[in-house]
Amino acid sequence: KAGVTQTPRYLIKTRGQQVTLSCSPISGHRSVSWYQQTPGQGLQFLFEYFSETQRNKGNFPGRFSGRQFSNSRSEMNVSTLELGDSALYLCASSLAGQDTGELFFGEGSRLTVL
Amino acid sequence: AQRVTQPEKLLSVFKGAPVELKCNYSYSGSPELFWYVQYSRQRLQLLLRHISRESIKGFTADLNKGETSFHLKKPFAQEEDSAMYYCALNDGAGKSTFGDGTTLTVKP
Repeated sequence: KAGVTQTPRYLIKTRGQQVTLSCSPISGHRSVSWYQQTPGQGLQFLFEYFSETQRNKGNFPGRFSGRQFSNSRSEMNVSTLELGDSALYLCASSLAGQDTGELFFGEGSRLTVL
Repeated sequence: AQRVTQPEKLLSVFKGAPVELKCNYSYSGSPELFWYVQYSRQRLQLLLRHISRESIKGFTADLNKGETSFHLKKPFAQEEDSAMYYCALNDGAGKSTFGDGTTLTVKP
């Protein structure tokens, strides 16, 4: 099985712009979670989607949003980018339903905001 | 609210020495606890979970509900164990909360 795939892998934006990141989960996985990883704060939970519905949400401002499509692929969007949004954004999928809780991670999308 | 605390950001031991990475959690329900590892230039991956009670790469972790801890242990550290380790709690409803991580360095 192919692993979790995230695109783009690297991107550079300027303050005020918006960005969309994409995640393709492992085939058969219906839950997709997003995390922000920074050196100082570890992995911060953004949100989790299951069957196109947002089930869980972390403590991030409304500039951070996401969605999930019927094929379980997910996107996250960050609007009005700030310097502090520079981070590695990780996507993880899991077998919800038989929820073992184990997450399978992608390699991440590294966002730099100038 | 669920919370995971890893008190040590950095941990350094010599090869062959025992190692223990600490993890404490707070959660009102019955948690599922995990340890994830991220080796250099690799993606984050599962190391072990408490429900399986197995040893992976010589590592073990015991869930202590009384002390709300899930410490990761290995009796003899190897250089290839050098990595970032994250403790995580899953609430059974799709949300996993991670600690801030511990960077383990095993010196030769």
